[in-house]
Amino acid sequence: GENVEQHPSTLSVQEGDSAVIKCTYSDSASNYFPWYKQELGKRPQLIIDIRSNVGEKKDQRIAVTLNKTAKHFSLHITETQPEDSAVYFCAATPNRDDKIIFGKGTRLHILP
Amino acid sequence: DAGVIQSPRHEVTEMGQEVTLRCKPISGHDYLFWYRQTMMRGLELLIYFNNNVPIDDSGMPEDRFSAKMPNASFSTLKIQPSEPRDSAVYFCASSTDVGDQPQHFGDGTRLSIL
Repeated sequence: GENVEQHPSTLSVQEGDSAVIKCTYSDSASNYFPWYKQELGKRPQLIIDIRSNVGEKKDQRIAVTLNKTAKHFSLHITETQPEDSAVYFCAATPNRDDKIIFGKGTRLHILP
Repeated sequence: DAGVIQSPRHEVTEMGQEVTLRCKPISGHDYLFWYRQTMMRGLELLIYFNNNVPIDDSGMPEDRFSAKMPNASFSTLKIQPSEPRDSAVYFCASSTDVGDQPQHFGDGTRLSIL
């Protein structure tokens, strides 16, 4: 079955700098890759997603890149702000009829 | 759109007691998911339903856990008897697809078993 590895588990960056979180997946048939943000004590919320027919997607300060050959995808946050501090989860789906598999999460700290 | 609604938000009970968690999915979403979140194990999928039918319950820890979805707007997750190791945050999520669309999470139930 699908396996999603996420790293680093913890990341600290200075406010204004960029943050990058990386994930790898095992099933080459995976075709949907969402990213969720979970603030402390809150629910996970989708922030961006990408499908296998696209290599990159941007939404303001957030971007996701996908390398299907290497089976990895990454979340990029530019000009980080204090409100970016949260746990970020990547996920992958082997096919549209199968359940999403989540990574273990990355705790992002934005330092003042 | 009120989002996914879970109740209660917090539950504290003694071990051995029955616990029932409730979820109302977003109207029109055919898929409902129950997750458990702990520091050690992260976000674990327990079970999911499609059109009120359980499809995959391979994540349910043991027979003490059961889940039902009697209609399209209501689901329960029951633990009987509860144990301290069941302490976690339990999330319900709903979606229009199992793996090809975003999942919308509820605010969760923080469960503490003493």
